[in-house]
Amino acid sequence: QVQLVQSGAEVMKPGSSVKVSCKASGGTFSRYAINWVRQAPGQGLEWMGGIVPIFGSRKFAQKFEGRVTITTDEPSTTAYMQLSSLKFDDTAVYYCARSIGTWGTAFEIWGQGTSVTVSS
Amino acid sequence: EIVLTQSPGTLSLSPGESATLSCRSSESVSSVYIAWYQQKAGQGPRLLIYEASKRATGIPGRFSGSGSGTDFTLTISRLQPEDFAIYYCQQYGGSSLTFGGGTKVEIK
Repeated sequence: QVQLVQSGAEVMKPGSSVKVSCKASGGTFSRYAINWVRQAPGQGLEWMGGIVPIFGSRKFAQKFEGRVTITTDEPSTTAYMQLSSLKFDDTAVYYCARSIGTWGTAFEIWGQGTSVTVSS
Repeated sequence: EIVLTQSPGTLSLSPGESATLSCRSSESVSSVYIAWYQQKAGQGPRLLIYEASKRATGIPGRFSGSGSGTDFTLTISRLQPEDFAIYYCQQYGGSSLTFGGGTKVEIK
């Protein structure tokens, strides 16, 4: 049974960067798209971007292009999302989610979420 | 970017009733690229329906999806207490993926 386990909560200063990890266990890693989705307090879901490790291909929401970096480490079956130049409104819960397949498939398995608070 | 508009914003129903949730797209989307998720308070989303009408693993038969083009529907028949939650539609085709704003199904 595949599980995604994310790193713990972070409190960051404006202008800094945060890196969130997402470790997959119990299944194949590299053949599936790993996506990052965030949810600000009391708000809906917002897709940030994703990666298909076996192809090394990435897609990003235009809003985050240039500010978000998504990488994977296949030996450790871990994906990473780094968001730079943090602003107060980046305060959110960040989720990783594995797709059913590669691009163009729904998000089947979700991590538990990582709370990121941007505060001075 | 494709915009998904969900309606109503909130649906107040009693257990045992049926719920019909709407998701309208700003442009035509292939039905293979539409999904529905359930999110309960304090939890992450759970995939219910993908490719507009296919139930994900372990999802009860009272959840069904339909639609094509720009109009998609999630139907929950005979609401159970555990079904009161927020529901999001999503389109995952193309270069940018988007979610609808959500419909909250609350106990009347």
